[in-house]
Amino acid sequence: AQTVTQSQPEMSVQEAETVTLSCTYDTSESDYYLFWYKQPPSRQMILVIRQEAYKQQNATENRFSVNFQKAAKSFSLKISDSQLGDAAMYFCAYYGQGGSEKLVFGKGTKLTVNP
Amino acid sequence: EPEVTQTPSHQVTQMGQEVILRCVPISNHLYFYWYRQILGQKVEFLVSFYNNEISEKSEIFDDQFSVERPDGSNFTLKIRSTKLEDSAMYFCASTTGFQPQHFGDGTRLSIL
Repeated sequence: AQTVTQSQPEMSVQEAETVTLSCTYDTSESDYYLFWYKQPPSRQMILVIRQEAYKQQNATENRFSVNFQKAAKSFSLKISDSQLGDAAMYFCAYYGQGGSEKLVFGKGTKLTVNP
Repeated sequence: EPEVTQTPSHQVTQMGQEVILRCVPISNHLYFYWYRQILGQKVEFLVSFYNNEISEKSEIFDDQFSVERPDGSNFTLKIRSTKLEDSAMYFCASTTGFQPQHFGDGTRLSIL
C-alpha cells in the first residue's frame, strides 16, 4: 500500500522569507500524481500544486514550487516570499494510476508565518 | 469557479442517531468521494463512487455507512447509528477523473 510521510509536524517562517516543507512517499507504481493541499483554519482543503510523476520538470505555481525527486520518492514544497495568508496546515497527497481512486494523505505540516 | 458544496457546515447529533451529510459535487464531475478527518489527524479516505455505485471503500466504511446519489446532483453520506468516534470533519470531493479532486468546505460532525 502507498504511504505518505511528512516528517515536520510544525514549521515556522518569517514573512517574506522562503520555507520548504518535506514529503516522502512509498509506492511500487510507476505512474501517479502528487499534490500539496492547504488547509487554513477555516478547514477548507485547497489545492496548491500538482505534479505528474512522468514529468521531470518541477511544477511551479506563482510563489509555490516543488522539488520532485522520483528516484528518492521525495516531493517537497517551497514557498517563496511567505505571506501571512500562507499560514495553514499543508498536506502532501498521493494519487496512483494503478486502480485505486483514493488520495493518500500525509499527516500534515502546520506552517506558522511570523510578521 | 464551480465549487463542491456541503451542508450542513456543522451537525450535532446524539450517539445512536442517524445522520445524513449532503454534498453537491461540481456538475460535470463523474467521480465522487468522501473523506474523514478526525481532529488533529490526517485526512482518511472513506469511499469512492462512480456510475451510481461504490467503486472503492476503506476499512473504516463499514455497514454503518452508506452513500447515495439520489437525484443526479446530490451525493449523500449516511451514518446509521452514530458512535462517539464518528466525530470528525467529513469532506466531499469530486473530479472529472482527469483532474485533481476538488474538495468541499467540509461538515463538522459532533456526536454527543
